[in-house]
Amino acid sequence: EVQLVESGGGLVQPGGSLRLSCAASGFTFSTYWMTWVRQAPGKGLEWVANINQGGSEKYYVDSVKGRFTISRDDTKNSLSLQMNSLRADDTAVYYCARGTNYYEAWGLGTLVTVSS
Amino acid sequence: DIVMTQSPDSLAVSLGERATINCKSSQSVLSSSDKKNYLGWYQQKPGQPPKLLMSWASTRGSGVPDRFSGSGSGTDFTLTISNLQAEDVAVYYCHQYYHIPRTFGQGTKMEI
Repeated sequence: EVQLVESGGGLVQPGGSLRLSCAASGFTFSTYWMTWVRQAPGKGLEWVANINQGGSEKYYVDSVKGRFTISRDDTKNSLSLQMNSLRADDTAVYYCARGTNYYEAWGLGTLVTVSS
Repeated sequence: DIVMTQSPDSLAVSLGERATINCKSSQSVLSSSDKKNYLGWYQQKPGQPPKLLMSWASTRGSGVPDRFSGSGSGTDFTLTISNLQAEDVAVYYCHQYYHIPRTFGQGTKMEI
């Protein structure tokens, strides 16, 4: 069974940092692009970033470029999102998802709240 | 960026009836090379992550009932839900994966 489990969310002050992780199981992690999608409270879905197999290609939505870094560790079947210089509008549930086109598998998400 | 616009924003349909959700992209998401529409549909129920309903505009996801169908090409797409069931109450999103950044529609809230 394919499973994606996010962790690392929490309350952080504006300007602070947080590192999200996504533990993958039930499939050959190293052969898939992986993606982060976020959803602000009561709002729609926003694609954040994705990373290819091996980690040589990374793409970001403009609003997080220079602040967020996506990475992966194929030896640990793990996806990460390092978030720096956090702002109030980064408050959201962050989902990891499998794939670069459509997303057949999603985690349950981890909530990031940026507030003083 | 490709802007995805869904209509309507919300929809109230009776059990057993048919519901139609439209999605329009600001640019074509039809690839000239492989003739595929890079368009997906997701269903999201409260407190749950999204679930893939359709890929390539009209290919149902794993386990998705055939009451759900997708159509359209280029810039105009439709998700149709026939014989609406109570469990279909959700928010539905279209999604283009033709260009980076990937973008989603604003969502359509389905109510019974």
